[in-house]
Amino acid sequence: DVQLVQSRGGLVQPGMSLRLSCEVSGFTFNDYSFNWLRQAPGRGLEWVSAIGPKGDRTYYADSVKGRFTISRDNSKATLYLQMNNLRVDDTALYYCTPMALDYWGQGTQVIVSA
Amino acid sequence: DVVMMQPPLSPPVSLGQAASISCNSSQSLVHSDGNTYLSWLHQRPGQPPRLLIYKISNRFSGVPDRFSGSGAGTDFTLKISRVEPEDVGIYYCTQSTYFPRTFGPGTKVDIK
Repeated sequence: DVQLVQSRGGLVQPGMSLRLSCEVSGFTFNDYSFNWLRQAPGRGLEWVSAIGPKGDRTYYADSVKGRFTISRDNSKATLYLQMNNLRVDDTALYYCTPMALDYWGQGTQVIVSA
Repeated sequence: DVVMMQPPLSPPVSLGQAASISCNSSQSLVHSDGNTYLSWLHQRPGQPPRLLIYKISNRFSGVPDRFSGSGAGTDFTLKISRVEPEDVGIYYCTQSTYFPRTFGPGTKVDIK
């Protein structure tokens, strides 16, 4: 069975940092690109970032460029999202998925509030 | 960015009746490789979304055949032939023909 197990989130103050992780199993992790998506409370889905299979190609939404960094450790089949200088409008449920959106993590709640 | 448009609500349907959800894009979603990368997702309350349909009309593994997708260019439709209780929730269309991937705002389906 394919599983994407995401780290627990947290409540942080504006300007602080948080790192999300997503451990993948039952899947040939190294062969695939992955996304981070997010869903603000009561809102729809927003693409945040993507990374190629080798980790050498990364892409970001304008809203997070320069603040978030996506990475992966293929030896651990784990995807990461380093979020710096967090803002109140980054508050959302964050999901990791392969590029095709065929499997989803359970979501990580990130709350940014003073 | 490509804008995906969906009605916010689908008319309430009775169990066993058909439902149809529309999705329109601000530009044609035909990729230079000839494929159209339009997918449909379903999200039940409190759960992550799940993939139903990819490339307009291909059902993902395990998706019941009461779900079907159709359309071309900028106009797409998801049909549920016989609505069942577990079909309630929000349906999203999404495109990945162009970077960045964009999503429709979602259409809520309720049972009458």
